[in-house]
Amino acid sequence: ELKVEQNPLFLSMQEGKNYTIYCNYSTTSDRLYWYRQDPGKSLESLFVLLSNGAVKQEGRLMASLDTKARLSTLHITAAVHDLSATYFCAVDIRSNYQLIWGAGTKLIIKP
Amino acid sequence: GAVVSQHPSRVICKSGTSVKIECRSLDFQATTMFWYRQFPKQSLMLMATSNEGSKATYEQGVEKDKFLINHASLTLSTLTVTSAHPEDSSFYICSARRPGGGKMNTEAFFGQGTRLTVV
Repeated sequence: ELKVEQNPLFLSMQEGKNYTIYCNYSTTSDRLYWYRQDPGKSLESLFVLLSNGAVKQEGRLMASLDTKARLSTLHITAAVHDLSATYFCAVDIRSNYQLIWGAGTKLIIKP
Repeated sequence: GAVVSQHPSRVICKSGTSVKIECRSLDFQATTMFWYRQFPKQSLMLMATSNEGSKATYEQGVEKDKFLINHASLTLSTLTVTSAHPEDSSFYICSARRPGGGKMNTEAFFGQGTRLTVV
C-alpha cells in the first residue's frame, strides 16, 4: 500500500525557533512536493524536489529529499507568525500523474 | 498568476439540487485533471481523475453517478454534484499538471477551491 506519513501532525511553536517537519513515504519515487494551505484556501506550491539530495530554500523554509531513505524534510528557521498554516507533502506516482498526499502538519507560530 | 482557475469559489444550494463546478487550465492543455475533496482538518482525498475525451476514473467509494465529471476539452473539466445533500458539503479542489516529459513540467497546479454548502 502506498503511504505518505507526515509528522508531527500538529506543531505549536514560538516565533524565532527552528523546527523540522518530516515526510516519509513507502513507494519508490524521486519526486516530492511541498504545499502550503491557509484556512479556507487552496494549495500553494512551495517546493518541487526532483532528485535525490535535492535541497531548496525560500526565505525561512528549506526542503530536502533523500530518496534512498524515502524521506523529505521541511525545515523552518527562526519562525515568524506569517508561516502559520498547514503544510502538506505529496509524492509523485509517475504512471498517471497522481499524487499521494500526507495528512498535513498544522503549524501554529505564536508571536 | 493562476494557471488553473476554478469556479465558483463558494456556493450554497438547496438539498436535492445539482451544482456544477468548473476547472480551467489557463495556459496549457491538460489531458488529465484531478478532482479532490477535503474535509475539515483533513488531507486531500482524490475523488477522480478526469481524462479528456474519455470517461473519468473514479476512486474506490466515490459514486460516479453522483459526482459527474466531464472533460470535454483540453482546458476544461467540470464536476457536477447531483441531487446534493448536506453530507456533500465540503471543499472541492481541482488540479492539473502540464503533460509531456521532462522534469521541468512536473508541478501540479491547483484551482482556488470551491466551498460547497448544501442546506
